Amino acid sequence: DAGVTQSPTHLIKTRGQQVTLRCSPISGHKSVSWYQQVLGQGPQFIFQYYEKEERGRGNFPDRFSARQFPNYSSELNVNALLLGDSALYLCASSFFGSWLDTEAFFGQGTRLTVV
Amino acid sequence: TQLLEQSPQFLSIQEGENLTVYCNSSSVFSSLQWYRQEPGEGPVLLVTVVTGGEVKKLKRLTFQFGDARKDSSLHITAAQTGDTGLYLCAGRSNDYKLSFGAGTTVTVRA
Repeated sequence: DAGVTQSPTHLIKTRGQQVTLRCSPISGHKSVSWYQQVLGQGPQFIFQYYEKEERGRGNFPDRFSARQFPNYSSELNVNALLLGDSALYLCASSFFGSWLDTEAFFGQGTRLTVV
Repeated sequence: TQLLEQSPQFLSIQEGENLTVYCNSSSVFSSLQWYRQEPGEGPVLLVTVVTGGEVKKLKRLTFQFGDARKDSSLHITAAQTGDTGLYLCAGRSNDYKLSFGAGTTVTVRA
C-alpha cells in the first residue's frame, strides 16, 4: 500500500509569489492535516480537513489556505510568500482526524525555500 | 511555544550506551505518539501510548506513558548508529490536532 505522498519534494519561490503544495493520504483515510516545520523546531499545526470540511486551523495568517477534494487528497496554498515561510511542510493522514485516532502517518514533506 | 517540552534538546552518546528522552506537559492527552525523523524527511511513527502507566517495548526501545497521561519517556538500550535522528513526541488531547514537542536530536557515535 502506498503511504502518504506529497508533491513537489522541493520548491524554490521568490518573495511575494504564491505556492500550492499537494498531498494524497493513505487509502481509506479521510483526514488530512498540514504542519509547518522550521529548522530546529517540532511541526506546528496549520490546518486539518475531514470529509472535505475544515475541522481546525492553527495560528497562521490568512495567506495560508487549504482544501480537500472528494478523493480526500488536499492542497495547501500560501499567498504573498515571505522569507519566514521557508520550511518543511508536512502532510499527515489519519482515519478520523480526532482524538479517536491513535495513529497519524506523515508524508516525506515539501521543502519550500523562499528567496 | 510548544505545548510539550522535550529534554534534553541534544544528546550525543557512544554506540552501545543507553539513553532516555523525556516529554512533559501540563496538559492531559488521550494518546501520545513518538516519531523519529531524519533530515529532510517526514516523521516516522514509532509507537502510540494510550493508557496511563502503559509501557511498550519495541526491540531495544521502551516507551512509558505517565500515570496522569501528561508525560512520557523513551529509553533506548545499547544504542546503535542507526538510532541517530530527531525524536519527536506528539500528544493528542480531546480535539483534532497533534501538538508536538521541539524534539531531541540524538547522535550515536560509532
